[in-house]
Amino acid sequence: EVQLVQSGAEVKKPGESLKISCKGSGYSFTSYWIGWVRQMPGKGLEWMGIIYPGDSDTRYSPSFQGQVTISADKSISTAYLQWSSLKASDTAMYYCARQRAVAAVDAFDIWGQGTMVTVSS
Amino acid sequence: DIQMTQSPSSLSASVGDRVTITCQASQDISNYLNWYQQKPGKAPKLLIYDASNLETGVPSRFSGSGSGTDFTFTISSLQPEDIATYYCQQYDNLPSWTFGQGTKVEIK
Repeated sequence: EVQLVQSGAEVKKPGESLKISCKGSGYSFTSYWIGWVRQMPGKGLEWMGIIYPGDSDTRYSPSFQGQVTISADKSISTAYLQWSSLKASDTAMYYCARQRAVAAVDAFDIWGQGTMVTVSS
Repeated sequence: DIQMTQSPSSLSASVGDRVTITCQASQDISNYLNWYQQKPGKAPKLLIYDASNLETGVPSRFSGSGSGTDFTFTISSLQPEDIATYYCQQYDNLPSWTFGQGTKVEIK
């Protein structure tokens, strides 16, 4: 079964760092782009960025460039989303999702279950 | 950035009704448009890709059409399990992909 399994919910304080993960299984992890999507409480979906684990080519939405870092460790089929200094406004559900086609970008067909990040003093 | 204007923001319809949602792009995006369904507390699910292609396993009552700047998503006969929020998403210009604001579909 093709699936993405994300790390568990996090509660952090402003200014702290955080790295959440997304582990792929059931397919060739290095052959499909993986993206990250933010959903703030009660709000819509926002595309953050995408990485190709095969060569770590990474693209960021202009809205998130410089705010987060996306990476991947192909040896353990895991993608990451990290923050160096969290803000209260980073409180949201974060989803990872796989692109549908091999080595191409079009639609997200497989989604992780989501990781809830809460930032509060 | 390409802006996606999705409408309506919410709608209420009866079981069996035909439901239509539109998405308008601020510039020509060819057919680089997808539609997702998100049920409360769940991750989004891909329904339609490349504007009109039904994802494998998705019921045929869902369909999409359009190209250029104007797109339509249709549920031909609304079912109780279709209660969800629906989003369009354009992928014309990596990395500036964008989602529409979402349409919440409820049963009347």
